[in-house]
Formats: sequence, C-alpha cells, structure tokens
Amino acid sequence: AQKVTQAQTEISVVEKEDVTLDCVYETRDTTYYLFWYKQPPSGELVFLIRRNSFDEQNEISGRYSWNFQKSTSSFNFTITASQVVDSAVYFCALILNFNKFYFGSGTKLNVKP
Amino acid sequence: EAGVTQSPTHLIKTRGQQATLRCSPISGHTSVYWYQQALGLGLQFLLWYDEGEERNRGNFPPRFSGRQFPNYSSELNVNALELEDSALYLCASSFRTGGIDTQYFGPGTRLTVL
Repeated sequence: AQKVTQAQTEISVVEKEDVTLDCVYETRDTTYYLFWYKQPPSGELVFLIRRNSFDEQNEISGRYSWNFQKSTSSFNFTITASQVVDSAVYFCALILNFNKFYFGSGTKLNVKP
Repeated sequence: EAGVTQSPTHLIKTRGQQATLRCSPISGHTSVYWYQQALGLGLQFLLWYDEGEERNRGNFPPRFSGRQFPNYSSELNVNALELEDSALYLCASSFRTGGIDTQYFGPGTRLTVL
C-alpha cells in the first residue's frame, strides 16, 4: 500500500504565482518523521525540512511554508511568489520505526517566466 | 565540507553482468542509505548500513547487496543485471542512525543495462 501519496504528478505555474504541493501519508504509528526534498535537474536531492509527528506547528522559511495536519495525514508545501529556480521535482518522505523509509513519487514543478 | 560523493557518475552494463556502485558519506556520518530511482517512479529504499552492519533492506531481490567499510564508505552490488535495473541509484548519509537525523544525498549513479 502506498505510504506516501503525491497526487500531483506535474504542476506548471507562471513566475510569482503561489503554488502548493500536496503530500498525504499513511501510518498508524504515533512516532514518525516527515521530510520534503527538492531534486533540481542536476539530480542531487536537497533537504528542505524535517518534521516529527509530535510537532504540528507550521513553519515558514522565506518563500517556503509547510502545513502539517495530523487530522488529515497531510504535510503540504507552499511556495509563495514562485521563481524559475524553483523548477524541480519535489519529494515528500515518511520515516517509520526509525528504519523504514518511504518516498512519494514526486511532483514536478515547472515555473515559467 | 564535502558532501556525499558517488562513483561512477554513469555506468553501462549488459544484461547478466554485475555492477558495483560506490558511495562516500559526509565526514562524521556513520549511516549510509541506498535508493533506486527508476524513470517516472519515486525513490525506492534499497539498503541501510550503519557502523558496518546492514540495518534494514527494502523489497528487492537478494541480487541487490552491499557492504559498508570501516571508513563508513559503502558499495552497492547488483548481480545478474536485468533491463529493469536501469535507474538512478542514490546514496544518502546521516549523522545518527535511522530516521532520527536528516539524510543528505549524493548526485547519484546512472546505471544503464543494455
């Protein structure tokens, strides 16, 4: 069964638009970790954020913000005022039991000038 | 500080051959993880090594194996290559074991099986 679902395969926006990337996860564990990674065309995944299951506070980092809602098992990622450099594939990941690692299939974001 | 490094960048093999991929973690990191990223798919967890021991493996056949050396670098071996093994193989490292700490990824090895 899919543990992490990123239903949006590809999204295209025009520069300066806001965009939200969805991530829905599945687990019955009470302790788990969630991550977002960015994979630019160069291929190397870049860490963006880590959240543990006990910390439901939303976070903002510059133009990036994350909305963690345990009630809906979602950990969505919003880019405000998108830029061309934001074009990449974004992955949501779930760590269970400290030894099981699940990644979503990724959302490809195209930001056009 | 140097990031995770992987070699080779590209590897071309024929079906039935063996492939060896290498990974050097960030200095001070003891855990190494291997993932397969096939075209159009997300990352699939392959193997996790920490302190020289295999801690966990994903749902892959035994012909995918590896090891971790005393200096924490790691090798991934794929025996009896099949066409569907063609993928980007990513290595990651972390400071502490398991999901407690963030995994930092290398640039990957692109394996092509002909």
